[in-house]
Amino acid sequence: DGGITQSPKYLFRKEGQNVTLSCEQNLNHDAMYWYRQDPGQGLRLIYYSQIVNDFQKGDIAEGYSVSREKKESFPLTVTSAQKNPTAFYLCASTQGQGPGELFFGEGSRLTVL
Amino acid sequence: DAKTTQPNSMESNEEEPVHLPCNHSTISGTDYIHWYRQLPSQGPEYVIHGLTSNVNNRMASLAIAEDRKSSTLILHRATLRDAAVYYCILRGHPNGGANSKLTFGKGITLSVRP
Repeated sequence: DGGITQSPKYLFRKEGQNVTLSCEQNLNHDAMYWYRQDPGQGLRLIYYSQIVNDFQKGDIAEGYSVSREKKESFPLTVTSAQKNPTAFYLCASTQGQGPGELFFGEGSRLTVL
Repeated sequence: DAKTTQPNSMESNEEEPVHLPCNHSTISGTDYIHWYRQLPSQGPEYVIHGLTSNVNNRMASLAIAEDRKSSTLILHRATLRDAAVYYCILRGHPNGGANSKLTFGKGITLSVRP
């Protein structure tokens, strides 16, 4: 079945360590997005990519990095520069053109100890 | 970016209709109105979208004001499984344009009483 897969679902890390969250889609979508969600809050955009080898900062990009070397993959690295990395991270994809819907992964919950 | 505003929360009784409002006064002519809902600890799921005309699907109906500055998501008979956070966002077309960022607000939390 087509879909979008995030891994790992749960992740624990020590302060000061970089962490990479995986996001893979087999929907042939051009555009991919990373969001962060804190308890009781909405989704905040970290980075997005409209096409392979190109990406743009969202509203809260500081302390994060991404790459888009393949159409199917958009990994997010939470670096040690991110001051408060504990959160629920969501990846989404959609066709780059047209009004089509966003498809979301199940999320990755990162806890920094 | 065009933004949307929604009430923080709403309550409904089971099996009654629910009308969830969204204001988007700065909507542009090519922006589509999308609705998503999110259950706890899950990713949001698509509910419905529209441009100008009202839309119906198996999950809900979307009523769009004539001036497009507001819209209402209608759940015809609320069930306990409809308790979730509902987000209204704007998606530009084609290729997203200024709205390719696809920003979400805090959404509206719907509680359903048995």
